[in-house]
Amino acid sequence: EAEVAQSPRYKITEKSQAVAFWCDPISGHATLYWYRQILGQGPELLVQFQDESVVDDSQLPKDRFSAERLKGVDSTLKIQPAELGDSAMYLCASSANWGTSDTQYFGPGTRLTVL
Amino acid sequence: EDKVVQSPLSLVVHEGDTVTLNCSYEVTNFRSLLWYKQEKKAPTFLFMLTSSGIEKKSGRLSSILDKKELFSILNITATQTGDSAVYLCAVGNGAGSYQLTFGKGTKLSVIP
Repeated sequence: EAEVAQSPRYKITEKSQAVAFWCDPISGHATLYWYRQILGQGPELLVQFQDESVVDDSQLPKDRFSAERLKGVDSTLKIQPAELGDSAMYLCASSANWGTSDTQYFGPGTRLTVL
Repeated sequence: EDKVVQSPLSLVVHEGDTVTLNCSYEVTNFRSLLWYKQEKKAPTFLFMLTSSGIEKKSGRLSSILDKKELFSILNITATQTGDSAVYLCAVGNGAGSYQLTFGKGTKLSVIP
């Protein structure tokens, strides 16, 4: 069964350092999402891509976060500089088509700890 | 602002019990309601509901949606320790793009 891949699974960094997370969606999925999940909360959408284009990044803290999906396949989420409050699980999800109620499938996540 | 509220936030039951988890919502441009199960990793998909009154069932789990009263329930019968997890409710909305708004989840603990 096809899965969403993410790496690394765990990342520990010091504040003010740069971190990057990678996501490879299910093959053929046009829409890719990055979520942040703080302990005890539900996931919150950071950015949504349709193919290589950003369709919503209204919740992305753009002063420190950036995301790209250059070839419309895999994607990278970067934080620079990291702050203590960025400690969370970063989840990537994909769905087959943009704009439809297709099921979103999640990757295993990257757990970030900022010291 | 779109809102999804789940209750209870946590629940402890004994194996064999039946549980009901609740999800109420206030969103614009409602399109679907989804339930996910999250153990110590990424959420895994359980159900998607789009129509009122039609029960979806998978083994011991079932769910139903009431679009008039804006809520959904997830039932688990004959609970097992493997059902211990956080159950997330999410509502899919959006006039153009499609996005999920999640609740905080219900943490279910099933004890032997």
